[in-house]
Amino acid sequence: GENVEQHPSTLSVQEGDSAVIKCTYSDSASNYFPWYKQELGKRPQLIIDIRSNVGEKKDQRIAVTLNKTAKHFSLHITETQPEDSAVYFCAASRRNNNDMRFGAGTRLTVKP
Amino acid sequence: KAGVTQTPRYLIKTRGQQVTLSCSPISGHRSVSWYQQTPGQGLQFLFEYFSETQRNKGNFPGRFSGRQFSNSRSEMNVSTLELGDSALYLCASSSQGPPLAEEQYFGPGTRLTVT
Repeated sequence: GENVEQHPSTLSVQEGDSAVIKCTYSDSASNYFPWYKQELGKRPQLIIDIRSNVGEKKDQRIAVTLNKTAKHFSLHITETQPEDSAVYFCAASRRNNNDMRFGAGTRLTVKP
Repeated sequence: KAGVTQTPRYLIKTRGQQVTLSCSPISGHRSVSWYQQTPGQGLQFLFEYFSETQRNKGNFPGRFSGRQFSNSRSEMNVSTLELGDSALYLCASSSQGPPLAEEQYFGPGTRLTVT
């Protein structure tokens, strides 16, 4: 089955700096890659996703890039703010199969 | 639309007991997935149901089971509870078409404590 690895496990940045979280996956048939943000005590919330026919997708300060050849994808957050502090999870699944596997998570801390 | 709901929100059980958790997906969503979240293991996939059929299954023992009803509501059951089953159990629903949409929306979770 799919195996998703996520790095780093913790990340601390200064407010205004950029943050990058990287994930690799093992199943070459995976073609849907979402990112979730989970604040303390809350449910995971989808923040951005990318499909295998696209190399990059942006939504305001958040962007995701995908390299299908290397089987890795990354989350980029620019101009970080303290409210970006949370645990971020990447995931991978096949389009017609909802067997979604998650990375172990990255705890992002943005210092004011 | 109302979001994904889970009941109960909190549960305390004793080792050896069994427990049933419930998940109501977003209206119109046909797929329900279940996850176990623990500090040490992260989000682990339990199983996924689509149109009342288990379509995918993670690497959990047979003590973990589930089902889905015709209205897409789903239940998961854990029998012979062990201390290690203490976790936040999350369900997520997605449309899965038509049109095909993979986005999963999570419920608030049920926090299970086994003593």
